[in-house]
Amino acid sequence: GAGVSQTPSNKVTEKGKYVELRCDPISGHTALYWYRQSLGQGPEFLIYFQGTGAADDSGLPNDRFFAVRPEGSVSTLKIQRTERGDSAVYLCASSSQGLQETQYFGPGTRLLVL
Amino acid sequence: SQKIEQNSEALNIQEGKTATLTCNYTNYSPAYLQWYRQDPGRGPVFLLLIRENEKEKRKERLKVTFDTTLKQSLFHITASQPADSATYLCALPSSGSARQLTFGSGTQLTVLP
Repeated sequence: GAGVSQTPSNKVTEKGKYVELRCDPISGHTALYWYRQSLGQGPEFLIYFQGTGAADDSGLPNDRFFAVRPEGSVSTLKIQRTERGDSAVYLCASSSQGLQETQYFGPGTRLLVL
Repeated sequence: SQKIEQNSEALNIQEGKTATLTCNYTNYSPAYLQWYRQDPGRGPVFLLLIRENEKEKRKERLKVTFDTTLKQSLFHITASQPADSATYLCALPSSGSARQLTFGSGTQLTVLP
């Protein structure tokens, strides 16, 4: 594909609800990352996949957050029992095997928890 | 864990001048450092990567320096244009993981015509 795509672009939900955010990485990219960005801050690392497995999930804030990448391509970030503090832009990035340090970001999903 | 400080939240300069942005980090010295550009409502876009054994890197009107003694990187945009107005983020690989990036909070640059 042309770049990393994320859906939905905006999501409004109520406190306590469950949400799923989707990321479609650049075709062929083996590594996939999720970050969260609050207003006026830089992106904050959540989780990194190499292929289908989560290689590093140390950034997930608590067990309400979970992410999967079952076929090594598309990834879904899942948030259970959403809280108002979860409101942020959730960014996905991918990188290739050959140029691992360079991460290509999607446009993000803006999540608002009311 | 790595901590990053970027100079002033906002920087205004006149078109044609050189913009200089600063990134300071604490703790360990990373193997490389990156600069990204972010426009409102968009994801960050990779600009440049400089490795610890490189003092300087250039790409068109962009120049990055990396001083591992001072634990500092400088990012320069020469002959700045209004289209350069954006937030610029510094990023380093986090301690213990070469793949996880730690970002600074960014510097918002405005180039005035």
